[in-house]
Amino acid sequence: QQQVKQSPQSLIVQKGGISIINCAYENTAFDYFPWYQQFPGKGPALLIAIRPDVSEKKEGRFTISFNKSAKQFSLHIMDSQPGDSATYFCAASPVYNTDKLIFGTGTRLQVFP
Amino acid sequence: IAGITQAPTSQILAAGRRMTLRCTQDMRHNAMYWYRQDLGLGLRLIHYSNTAGTTGKGEVPDGYSVSRANTDDFPLTLASAVPSQTSVYFCASSVESGSYNEQFFGPGTRLTVL
Repeated sequence: QQQVKQSPQSLIVQKGGISIINCAYENTAFDYFPWYQQFPGKGPALLIAIRPDVSEKKEGRFTISFNKSAKQFSLHIMDSQPGDSATYFCAASPVYNTDKLIFGTGTRLQVFP
Repeated sequence: IAGITQAPTSQILAAGRRMTLRCTQDMRHNAMYWYRQDLGLGLRLIHYSNTAGTTGKGEVPDGYSVSRANTDDFPLTLASAVPSQTSVYFCASSVESGSYNEQFFGPGTRLTVL
């Protein structure tokens, strides 16, 4: 049973376009939602994170949108660049155990020039 | 340069053999974690340690054991490897457990069990 469902599995975007990756969860005890970026042959690295007291968080070209009532959150990459080509993982952790991250299945993003 | 090192980088192992994956961090982080990454399944937590001397089970602990004798090292042992343990293994650490702390990942160990 996948506690955090991520889609799409893969995404191809033209340079300059917007990349959107979606995640959904069921457990209402989740209250921390990070996104990790992983380049081929490397370990994941934290990209951006949000807590449910805000509906949006923006860092440069990366934005997390959070919909608490729908139990969904998404990553938007504006002006996508070839250097953004990587696998992106959403994750969630419960308020009672925030060091136990539950990861989504990942989205492989390819940005073509 | 501070960070997490993992060894070996890759390994091919016969089923039934014992194998220890090594993980060392020099950031003096209290919490450490072991994940396995499988295509289509994302990252799944195997074991974790909130501080030296303590360990806990994650989502998929069966067939694996860990120890945390000191702050820096967190080895993962497969007592008798099976083909289903073929995966990429990542070690991670965070300053503290809980409190929404960022997890820092190592470069991974690619393990193939034949």
